[in-house]
Amino acid sequence: QKEVEQNSGPLSVPEGAIASLNCTYSDRGSQSFFWYRQYSGKSPELIMFIYSNGDKEDGRFTAQLNKASQYVSLLIRDSQPSDSATYLCAVNRGANNFNKFYFGSGTKLNVKP
Amino acid sequence: NAGVMQNPRHLVRRRGQEARLRCSPMKGHSHVYWYRQLPEEGLKFMVYLQKENIIDESGMPKERFSAEFPKEGPSILRIQQVVRGDSAAYFCASSATSGGTQETQYFGPGTRLLVL
Repeated sequence: QKEVEQNSGPLSVPEGAIASLNCTYSDRGSQSFFWYRQYSGKSPELIMFIYSNGDKEDGRFTAQLNKASQYVSLLIRDSQPSDSATYLCAVNRGANNFNKFYFGSGTKLNVKP
Repeated sequence: NAGVMQNPRHLVRRRGQEARLRCSPMKGHSHVYWYRQLPEEGLKFMVYLQKENIIDESGMPKERFSAEFPKEGPSILRIQQVVRGDSAAYFCASSATSGGTQETQYFGPGTRLLVL
């Protein structure tokens, strides 16, 4: 079982719609969760992080965490063509793992004009 | 530019040569992480370093790969006797502290290594 799993996609949504990206993780002791966006040929760029159960909103982005279900998601409202990229979920398992991130393989999002 | 810096951005090597990748962390950051990304795949952790110390190298191949972060200068990832399977993008990230579990990592632009 992989540490972090994501649907590879591609996920296609029309411009203006809500894009929902999902991520599950295997270690119940995981402490913090990060979403990165990666454009083709570029480096990962941090979008959001979340530590506590529930929702966290930042502009058009909302991260949702459910530790009981070991599930974290990212919602993108009013999707724009410029949001087309691969979205990477990263999980930090906690102090004994220092600051070691485990990454999913990413979900490719296509926003169609 | 106060971001994470990596050089070279592109590196071409023939099989058997050495590749040396450099990373300067963000200003004020003392923790460096190296990741490898194969095409269409996610990031794979390789090694975590602080100044003059390797903290976690559990993701490093046992042979040909080494990393250092000296007291002065950038962190260096060295790959000896490169093979075609080493062709990948190598990303460096940095954080301010080990910070427990809430410390964000910021990524550099990466080095694309091509082995001919």
